Order: sequence, then structure tokens, then C-alpha cells
Amino acid sequence: AQTVTQSQPEMSVQEAETVTLSCTYDTSESNYYLFWYKQPPSRQMILVIRQEAYKQQNATENRFSVNFQKAAKSFSLKISDSQLGDTAMYFCAFMNSGYALNFGKGTSLLVTP
Amino acid sequence: GAVVSQHPSRVICKSGTSVKIECRSLDFQATTMFWYRQFPKQSLMLMATSNEGSKATYEQGVEKDKFLINHASLTLSTLTVTSAHPEDSSFYICSASPQGSFAKNIQYFGAGTRLSVL
Repeated sequence: AQTVTQSQPEMSVQEAETVTLSCTYDTSESNYYLFWYKQPPSRQMILVIRQEAYKQQNATENRFSVNFQKAAKSFSLKISDSQLGDTAMYFCAFMNSGYALNFGKGTSLLVTP
Repeated sequence: GAVVSQHPSRVICKSGTSVKIECRSLDFQATTMFWYRQFPKQSLMLMATSNEGSKATYEQGVEKDKFLINHASLTLSTLTVTSAHPEDSSFYICSASPQGSFAKNIQYFGAGTRLSVL
């Protein structure tokens, strides 16, 4: 079974600054997908970014980028130019061969003015 | 983008009654839908995988007779919590994968249903 570990329960960053959220995972599979989802207070799950394990290039979506280290089984999320609207719970997730998502426990991010 | 509608957003029911939650993909067909449960300030836990036209696959520890899942069409899956009890109170979230998207492995989420059993 795959496990996803987010070691930072809470983080805080000032507006316009950069913050990095950590995620590690454990799997014996060689081909898989990794995701970061955002859950604001509305509780709607929003896809932030995804990474295909066979791609060496790190995924980037506007202010969001990942540092994917396959050998280390690490998948961190970097948020640049943080905005107040980035305040949310962030979940790292691993997609298994059955296409279901296995989520980490989440990191609560607070962006302050 | 793809939209998944989940209804109702909130439901309060008496202990012993059954509650049905609907999950619809509005602008795409979904071969597979997933049901998750989320306790306060915790992560999402997969309950079951629902495949159109076949029986759902339940995760270990999830009572299939209590949480009935039906995926009768490519756009609709339902979760029925039967004989609900206070311990079933939780936030339930569905997600759907567009047909043919497995190469992209994208799931779109509904807005969730908050169930409160009195």
C-alpha cells in the first residue's frame, strides 16, 4: 500500500513571499501520478498541479511548481508570490494503479497580509 | 473545466433513517466515480470506487450494506447511507474521472455533502 506523508501540519507565509510545502510518499510502483489539491474553507477540492512519475521535468502551473525527486520519493510544492486567496488546506496525493487517490494528512497554509 | 455536481450540500436526518447523496458529472461522461469521507480537520479517506454498470469496490473497513453505491449511468453515481447513526455524521465527497482520461489521470471533485445524524 502507498503512504503519503505531509510533515508540516501548519504553515504561515506573508503575502508576496514564497513558501514550500513538503510531501514524501512510499510506493513500489514505477509508474504513477502525484497531485497537489487545495481545499479552501468552502471545502471544494481544487486541483493545483499534477506530476507524472515518468516525466523528469518538474510540473509548473503559473505561481505553483513542484520539486519532484523520484529516487527520494519526494514531491514538494512551491507557491511563489503568495496571495491571500492561497489560504487553504493543501493535500498531497498519490494515484494508484486503480486510479483512486491516496491523500496525505494535509498542510494548513495561512497567508498573512 | 469539467464540473461535478453533488447534492445535497447539507442534510440533517434522524437516527435510523436513510439518506441518498447524488454525484453528477455535468459536462462529461464518467466511467469511474469515487466516494470519499472526511472527518473534521482530517484528510479524505477513500470509501469506494464506483464503476458504471458494475458493483462498487469498497475499501477495507467500509460496510457495503450501510453505504450503498449505485452507478447506473455514465453521469450519475449515488451513495445511500442506510439506517444512519450519529457516528455516520461526516463530510462526504465524490469525484469523477472523464471517460478516456486515464492517461491523464484527472479527477474532478464535487463540493461535498455534510451529513448530520441526530
